[in-house]
Amino acid sequence: DGGITQSPKYLFRKEGQNVTLSCEQNLNHDAMYWYRQDPGQGLRLIYYSQIVNDFQKGDIAEGYSVSREKKESFPLTVTSAQKNPTAFYLCASTPIDLTQPQHFGDGTRLSIL
Amino acid sequence: EDQVTQSPEALRLQEGESSSLNCSYTVSGLRGLFWYRQDPGKGPEFLFTLYSAGEEKEKERLKATLTKKESFLHITAPKPEDSATYLCAVQAYNTGKLIFGQGTTLQVKP
Repeated sequence: DGGITQSPKYLFRKEGQNVTLSCEQNLNHDAMYWYRQDPGQGLRLIYYSQIVNDFQKGDIAEGYSVSREKKESFPLTVTSAQKNPTAFYLCASTPIDLTQPQHFGDGTRLSIL
Repeated sequence: EDQVTQSPEALRLQEGESSSLNCSYTVSGLRGLFWYRQDPGKGPEFLFTLYSAGEEKEKERLKATLTKKESFLHITAPKPEDSATYLCAVQAYNTGKLIFGQGTTLQVKP
């Protein structure tokens, strides 16, 4: 079955440590997105990419970095500069037609040790 | 500024008790309005897209409607398995990005 796979499901970060969240899709979608979800808040866009080797900042990009070396993969690095990283992180994708609904993975929950 | 507000934040229903969830929005040119269902610890699952005022879509016990300022998700005779958080998002023409509301958490008791 086609879909989006996020790993790991749970991740713990120590002070001063960078951590990388994986997102892989086999839907042949062109665009990929990273969102952050906090309790009682809507999903907020961190980064998005519409094509390989290109990506744009979303609304809350500070303290995060991404890469898009392959169409299928869009990893997110939470750097030590992100002072409040505890959240549920969601990856999504769409075909090149951005009016199509975004498909989501099942998320990674990141916590501070 | 583009904005989405969902109400109520939480809703408890008895099985079979119909109700509606509200999604109010302001956006500079609506490209589409999306409804998603999210179960605890899972990613959102797509339900509906609405593109223009007056449009309606149905799926099982759910019916989504759209006006120029808000959308409703009507739940008819809900069952316990309908318990979830329902998210609304709008997409603006000028940015193409999705702007999400904070969600309505629905609990249906048997």
